[in-house]
Amino acid sequence: GEDVEQSLFLSVREGDSSVINCTYTDSSSTYLYWYKQEPGAGLQLLTYIFSNMDMKQDQRLTVLLNKKDKHLSLRIADTQTGDSAIYFCAEQGSKGYQKVTFGTGTKLQVIP
Amino acid sequence: SQTIHQWPATLVQPVGSPLSLECTVEGTSNPNLYWYRQAAGRGLQLLFYSVGIGQISSEVPQNLSASRPQDRQFILSSKKLLLSDSGFYLCAWSTNRAANTIYFGEGSWLTVV
Repeated sequence: GEDVEQSLFLSVREGDSSVINCTYTDSSSTYLYWYKQEPGAGLQLLTYIFSNMDMKQDQRLTVLLNKKDKHLSLRIADTQTGDSAIYFCAEQGSKGYQKVTFGTGTKLQVIP
Repeated sequence: SQTIHQWPATLVQPVGSPLSLECTVEGTSNPNLYWYRQAAGRGLQLLFYSVGIGQISSEVPQNLSASRPQDRQFILSSKKLLLSDSGFYLCAWSTNRAANTIYFGEGSWLTVV
């Protein structure tokens, strides 16, 4: 079945760039997503990328996709304390009802 | 605009008691509906999804069930709770577009004691 892997924890200093990585196994993925979860809340969509794209930039966020290696990354420039949260990678398959599989989440800690 | 509501936000239930978590979506029609459970270090586990009224698919066998009595209402239930049912439950919805963007509710904390 589909599998999405992320490291569990990342710590960066305020003002530095953060890079959160994700690997997935489904070679037929159509869309890949990044979600943000703040403490005690639901998940909010940050951005997504279509599988035929290599990069997508949205203000401080840059998504890189290496489809050959099935590797997705999220770069946050000029990381702020408000960016502290759990970040989930997710991939959407091409079969059935377009099932979306989530990773385990990476907890980003921003040190002032 | 579309909104999603789920309740209650927190509840503490004894082992063996029933459970009912409710979720409603506003501002859209015929959404896909989901129930997820989140456990520390294990990410999001999809429990149930529904593509229409009365259509429920279960991803994992468990002590829980789901129902969709109306187009925009999704209910998670249990007849007898187990300690292992404790967790953070998230209701979510999506459209039937190419990009299956999922929108989440604020979640419900369930503690079984």
